[in-house]
Amino acid sequence: GIQVEQSPPDLILQEGANSTLRCNFSDSVNNLQWFHQNPWGQLINLFYIPSGTKQNGRLSATTVATERYSLLYISSSQTTDSGVYFCAVDRDDKIIFGKGTRLHILP
Amino acid sequence: DAGITQSPRHKVTETGTPVTLRCHQTENHRYMYWYRQDPGHGLRLIHYSYGVKDTDKGEVSDGYSVSRSKTEDFLLTLESATSSQTSVYFCAIKNGGLRSGANVLTFGAGSRLTVL
Repeated sequence: GIQVEQSPPDLILQEGANSTLRCNFSDSVNNLQWFHQNPWGQLINLFYIPSGTKQNGRLSATTVATERYSLLYISSSQTTDSGVYFCAVDRDDKIIFGKGTRLHILP
Repeated sequence: DAGITQSPRHKVTETGTPVTLRCHQTENHRYMYWYRQDPGHGLRLIHYSYGVKDTDKGEVSDGYSVSRSKTEDFLLTLESATSSQTSVYFCAIKNGGLRSGANVLTFGAGSRLTVL
């Protein structure tokens, strides 16, 4: 089956710093999504981004489908950005997740 | 908020007992998914459904069965629970199709299962 790898696995940053999270996938996919899991366990969809670039406030995402990767950018980090970030790829309606990047933002 | 309800939210059971988790949606979405989340593994797909009585296996389906007898309910059953099935279980839904937003995945709040 399709493999999804996220890097780095853990990231500790000072408030105000910028970060880039990466998601690589092993085969062509129909679409890709990014999620944030907050410290209470809730999973929130950040981006639905099969290709191209999208921005939402301090967050943006880029997917290069032909090269099988996606990037999530977080600028001017805030403590509320802490949590785990997952990418998920949808191939023929089977949706597979990476293991996530755990982000700690220090005040 | 998408109308997804998981029940029970917390359950403690003993090895060898049957357990059923329920996912209920009010969105009339076609696709429903069951995942388990364990430290170091992220979310792993157990089973998914693409319509009433239409289901397929995911990455970690051994020891689990599912049923979908109506659009709004997707049941996950552990026929004989084992300690390795202690986990947090998440249900998710998507509508599918070509309309904008149709393939965005939306999650329930999760069900924490402990098998002693």
